[in-house]
Amino acid sequence: EVQLVESGGGLVQPGRSLKLSCAASGFTFSNYGMAWVRQTPTKGLEWVASISTGGGNTYYRDSVKGRFTISRDNAKNTQYLQMDSLRSEDTATYYCARFSGPFAYWGQGTLVTVSS
Amino acid sequence: DVQMTQSPSNLAASPGESVSINCKASKSISKYLAWYQQKPGKANKLLIYSGSTLQSGTPSRFSGSGSGTDFTLTIRNLEPEDFGLYYCQQHNEYPPTFGAGTKLELK
Repeated sequence: EVQLVESGGGLVQPGRSLKLSCAASGFTFSNYGMAWVRQTPTKGLEWVASISTGGGNTYYRDSVKGRFTISRDNAKNTQYLQMDSLRSEDTATYYCARFSGPFAYWGQGTLVTVSS
Repeated sequence: DVQMTQSPSNLAASPGESVSINCKASKSISKYLAWYQQKPGKANKLLIYSGSTLQSGTPSRFSGSGSGTDFTLTIRNLEPEDFGLYYCQQHNEYPPTFGAGTKLELK
């Protein structure tokens, strides 16, 4: 059974950093692209970033370019999202997803709140 | 970015009925449209991708149709577990974009 478990969310002040992790199991992690998707009540679901199987190719939505970094460790079956210079508009539930165009499997999400 | 417009926003139906949810893209996305189900406390579930291909495990009462800019998700013979939120997403080009969602409620 495919499982994706996010961790690392929490309350953080504007301008500070936070690093999310996603532990994967139930499939050969190194064979699949991965992604982060976030959700808010006002903006709905938004793709944030994605990464290729080996980590050599990364993609970001414009609003997070230069602030967020997606990475993966295939030996640990884990992907990460380093979030720097956080803004209030980054407040959302962040989901880890296995990505191949569609998002085939999702985690249950971790809440990130950016507030002073 | 490709804008995805879903309709209706809310839909009320009874078990056993059939419903349809529509998704319109702001430009052609060929066949590359996915549908998801979201329920509280559960991971989002991919139902259909590439417009009409059922993801493994998706019941056959779900079907998808359309191409270009107009797509439809149809659920026949609704079961109690089908009530929840549904989202479309285009997977034709970056950035992937989602519709605003349709809430399917029990009448």
